[in-house]
Amino acid sequence: AQSVTQLDSQVPVFEEAPVELRCNYSSSVSVYLFWYVQYPNQGLQLLLKYLSGSTLVESINGFEAEFNKSQTSFHLRKPSVHISDTAEYFCAVSDNRGGSEKLVFGKGTKLTVNP
Amino acid sequence: EPEVTQTPSHQVTQMGQEVILRCVPISNHLYFYWYRQILGQKVEFLVSFYNNEISEKSEIFDDQFSVERPDGSNFTLKIRSTKLEDSAMYFCASSWDLSSYEQYFGPGTRLTVT
Repeated sequence: AQSVTQLDSQVPVFEEAPVELRCNYSSSVSVYLFWYVQYPNQGLQLLLKYLSGSTLVESINGFEAEFNKSQTSFHLRKPSVHISDTAEYFCAVSDNRGGSEKLVFGKGTKLTVNP
Repeated sequence: EPEVTQTPSHQVTQMGQEVILRCVPISNHLYFYWYRQILGQKVEFLVSFYNNEISEKSEIFDDQFSVERPDGSNFTLKIRSTKLEDSAMYFCASSWDLSSYEQYFGPGTRLTVT
């Protein structure tokens, strides 16, 4: 069975500061990895995903995440955050054996960017 | 941009009552999902649906739950006899295919069972 651990439930930072949201997973098989973001009163939106290839993946709004197989981690980073990045961020994994598309989520990390 | 919609946004019901949560997936999507999040806990997979059949379901998805795509546009989750522990946020999601692993989520329905 797969599981995802997001070590921080809340992360407060100041605007323009760097941020790292941590995600570790456990799985007995190879996985695909995802970060979803949820803005207030909205659904979960896919931020970025790792399926294969380069272990560093980027989103269009400046976030990046690096797949580290040896540490079973997929931490999300941004070098300089904006007020508009305030949201809840969810890390998720999916079994990549095919035929099972369900996502297994972590508990989420609430990022609050303060002026 | 197309989006998944869900109604109602908040549903309050009494224990033992039946509820139907409604979702309108993105129109050309083929795969449909329900997830739920109990307050303070993880988002959990309930069921996936493709070609008018359940393709996978979790242990949570017992006989009290059912899903249906009644008219080619709506995708519903029915809970036959609600329990207090069914109180949660329920998310619907849809995807075009499996290979992209990109699921589009609705804003959720908050179900409160009293």
